[in-house]
Amino acid sequence: ETGVTQTPRHLVMGMTNKKSLKCEQHLGHNAMYWYKQSAKKPLELMFVYSLEERVENNSVPSRFSPECPNSSHLFLHLHTLQPEDSALYLCASSQDGQDYGYTFGSGTRLTVV
Amino acid sequence: QKEVEQDPGPLSVPEGAIVSLNCTYSNSAFQYFMWYRQYSRKGPELLMYTYSSGNKEDGRFTAQVDKSSKYISLFIRDSQPSDSATYLCAIAATGTASKLTFGTGTRLQVTL
Repeated sequence: ETGVTQTPRHLVMGMTNKKSLKCEQHLGHNAMYWYKQSAKKPLELMFVYSLEERVENNSVPSRFSPECPNSSHLFLHLHTLQPEDSALYLCASSQDGQDYGYTFGSGTRLTVV
Repeated sequence: QKEVEQDPGPLSVPEGAIVSLNCTYSNSAFQYFMWYRQYSRKGPELLMYTYSSGNKEDGRFTAQVDKSSKYISLFIRDSQPSDSATYLCAIAATGTASKLTFGTGTRLQVTL
């Protein structure tokens, strides 16, 4: 496995469900990110982890809960989501200190029903 | 005013055409300028980056930055159907790796 791998690729969940998105990077990077991509909107940065410490939380609702157990893995725990949370959730990694060169995963397409 | 403005398209061109994709930005502190390409059902991949003003060429792709006008461009020469994708501009200020700001993306369709 190389690059950034995200699972699952697609997820349909009810508003009362609890699910988790998983991201794994095999690049030796020390920073990982969660982004939300909605139609006709710019990528929205949700969370940043650098050296496994959360360094940024961009006013994301508490129904999204990130977890970074080590520098290679990142999770996004979801609970009591709303239909407007339906989007493509992208994980990315980079080597901290570089202002370019994010590597993105293919994303999880989330539909909240 | 949005930090980064990008026309969402779609932009449809015939194969072989020269494509011009553009973004404007508002914050003069931005120093790093990137273009990402995103194919359907895939994540964005870094295509080009430039630091400060000037041009950078890589094969059929040229990235251009005009800091005085706060305007960045990506030119694609001899466009191919495989170039059909969404192109996102992204900008960052010096030393703030977590502050990458993206445009909405322009969807490009290159037809045979």
